[in-house]
Amino acid sequence: TQLLEQSPQFLSIQEGENLTVYCNSSSVFSSLQWYRQEPGEGPVLLVTVVTGGEVKKLKRLTFQFGDARKDSSLHITAAQPGDTGLYLCAGVNRENTGNQFYFGTGTSLTVIP
Amino acid sequence: SQTIHQWPATLVQPVGSPLSLECTVEGTSNPNLYWYRQAAGRGLQLLFYSVGIGQISSEVPQNLSASRPQDRQFILSSKKLLLSDSGFYLCAWRPQAVNYGYTFGSGTRLTVV
Repeated sequence: TQLLEQSPQFLSIQEGENLTVYCNSSSVFSSLQWYRQEPGEGPVLLVTVVTGGEVKKLKRLTFQFGDARKDSSLHITAAQPGDTGLYLCAGVNRENTGNQFYFGTGTSLTVIP
Repeated sequence: SQTIHQWPATLVQPVGSPLSLECTVEGTSNPNLYWYRQAAGRGLQLLFYSVGIGQISSEVPQNLSASRPQDRQFILSSKKLLLSDSGFYLCAWRPQAVNYGYTFGSGTRLTVV
C-alpha cells in the first residue's frame, strides 16, 4: 500500500481567509487527484494532475503537483462556508494492476461564516 | 450519462449476521469497480477491486468478500459480521484508462451491534 499523508488533519478558519492543504508521499505517482466529500456522501472529484510541476486552477482553488510527482498541494483563496468538507488526495501508480488510486488520510476543513 | 447506485443507505446488523451490499453502474461497460471503507472523517481504505466479471482482487485480509457476477454489478458480503466491520462503505467505478477519476456511490453506513 502506498501511503499518502495529508496535513493538516483538521483546519478551522474564518470566511475570507486563505489556506493550503498538503499531500505527501515517498512514492512516485503517475497522477494524483483531489476530491471533496461532504458528510454522508461519496467523494466528488475536483481535479486530476498528471505532469510534474503542473498547476491547475478551479475558480478559487489552485492545485499543484510536485516536480518529482511525490506530493501535491491545494490552495484555497478567500475561503467560503461552501468550501467546508473533507478534502482527500489520491494517487495512482501505473504499475497497479487495477489502476486503483490510494487515498490520503484526509483534511477536514471548516469555514466559519 | 453514467450513474452508480449503491444500497442500502444505512444498515444496522447484529454481530454474527450476514451482510450483502450491492452496487450497480449504468451507462458504461467494462468499468473497473471498487469497494472502499472509510472511518469517520478519515481517508478511504481500499477493500476490493475488480477489472472484469469474476475477477476480484483483495487489498486487505478481512472478514469480507466481494463478487462481480455481472459486468456492472459489484457485491460486498460477509458470512458473519464483527463489531469491527462497522463503518461507511463506498462503491466506486472508473474507466480502464489510468488517469480518469472515480465516481462514487452515495455510501452505506453500516453499524454492527
